[in-house]
Amino acid sequence: QTVVTQEPSFSVSPGGTVTFTCGLTSGSVSTSYYPSWYQQTPGQAPRTLIYSTNTRSSGVPDRFSGSILGNKAALIITGAQADDESDYYCVLYMGSGIWVFGGGTKLTVL
Amino acid sequence: QVQLVESGGGVVQSGGSLRLSCAASGFTFSNFGMHWVRQAPGKGLEWVAFIRYDGNKKYYTDSVQGRFTISRDNSKSTLYLQMSALRPDDTAVYYCAKGRAESNSPGYWGQGSLVTVSS
Repeated sequence: QTVVTQEPSFSVSPGGTVTFTCGLTSGSVSTSYYPSWYQQTPGQAPRTLIYSTNTRSSGVPDRFSGSILGNKAALIITGAQADDESDYYCVLYMGSGIWVFGGGTKLTVL
Repeated sequence: QVQLVESGGGVVQSGGSLRLSCAASGFTFSNFGMHWVRQAPGKGLEWVAFIRYDGNKKYYTDSVQGRFTISRDNSKSTLYLQMSALRPDDTAVYYCAKGRAESNSPGYWGQGSLVTVSS
């Protein structure tokens, strides 16, 4: 069974750049997987940041961007801010109506 | 604006049943697929089920197949998740989410409803 992979954690300094990735244990991620990215703070519902690889959801600052990097989907934060400290999740469409989330990445801004 | 409000959560014994509801407003419910996504305490997000806009196609993650049933009533703009044969590892906050038009990926999310399965 294919698993969606994410880095468990990242640290970034304020103003810095961080790149999260979303991969597969078998195969490469492409736009056909419709990768989406979500931000979640403790006790809150997830918030959609990016959908369909690189489209920002309404109201999301342009310091968040999405792309395909190599064989993975990527979420890039440019100019990290303190309130970006959250958990970040990706989801991929695996076909046949099935979606699978990655395990999430915990971002620390310090 | 889009609003999704889940209800029906609570404490249930292992082996029991529960039905979650998700009341939708602010968009034409009958035009969009809908998801259920859950999150166990301290864990990550897990996709549970998806139903097509017309209710004619339903998809489930393996761990709930045969135990959970997703359904919708477009006349009431309401999504449901009937859960049976509940197990302690089904304990989670259950979110409903609106599927995006171009891809069906989860877009807008409700605030969630906590289901606790006691052993």
